[in-house]
Amino acid sequence: SQELEQSPQSLIVQEGKNLTINCTSSKTLYGLYWYKQKYGEGLIFLMMLQKGGEEKSHEKITAKLDEKKQQSSLHITASQPSHAGIYLCGAPRYTGGGNKLTFGTGTQLKVEL
Amino acid sequence: KAGVTQTPRYLIKTRGQQVTLSCSPISGHRSVSWYQQTPGQGLQFLFEYFSETQRNKGNFPGRFSGRQFSNSRSEMNVSTLELGDSALYLCASTKAGGRETQYFGPGTRLLVL
Repeated sequence: SQELEQSPQSLIVQEGKNLTINCTSSKTLYGLYWYKQKYGEGLIFLMMLQKGGEEKSHEKITAKLDEKKQQSSLHITASQPSHAGIYLCGAPRYTGGGNKLTFGTGTQLKVEL
Repeated sequence: KAGVTQTPRYLIKTRGQQVTLSCSPISGHRSVSWYQQTPGQGLQFLFEYFSETQRNKGNFPGRFSGRQFSNSRSEMNVSTLELGDSALYLCASTKAGGRETQYFGPGTRLLVL
């Protein structure tokens, strides 16, 4: 089984609707990254959460980290076509002075007009 | 500031051949990480280089290797290519690793026939 599970796997919403993507870890979280990917392209950094209870917002996207539950959620308010893509959560594993990211299974978001 | 660049963007090889991919990090960044993304396994960590030394390694066979040059540019090599090596290879850079955000390049799409 995957260390990081995302739900839902895919999502179709109408423009203007709100949505939430969840990321649950089977191991202790030492922070959590959220990235967005257009199909077949590189990852675009969205947000990094470092402490339990931390919440960050950027434009219409808000992410929260619940370390006790080993979960993070990403919430998009009033979705737009530009929000479409694959959302990936990544858990850092700090070893040797470096950082290995373990990624979730991804959530594909489509926004219909 | 220019982002992470990867060359080539697309590559077609046949089984048994070898391939070299290149990654130039953001100016001033000294840590480069490599990831493989496939539909079946998702996004998986390959290795990380910092100051020309491999600092972390993922669970990939010895056919996958890498190196980093004094200007922080990195290359990864895959020898004796297999069909299953077809994937999007992504590299990411940070200034020094640790609790820093990894910024990703656009990726190299490798197809093995």
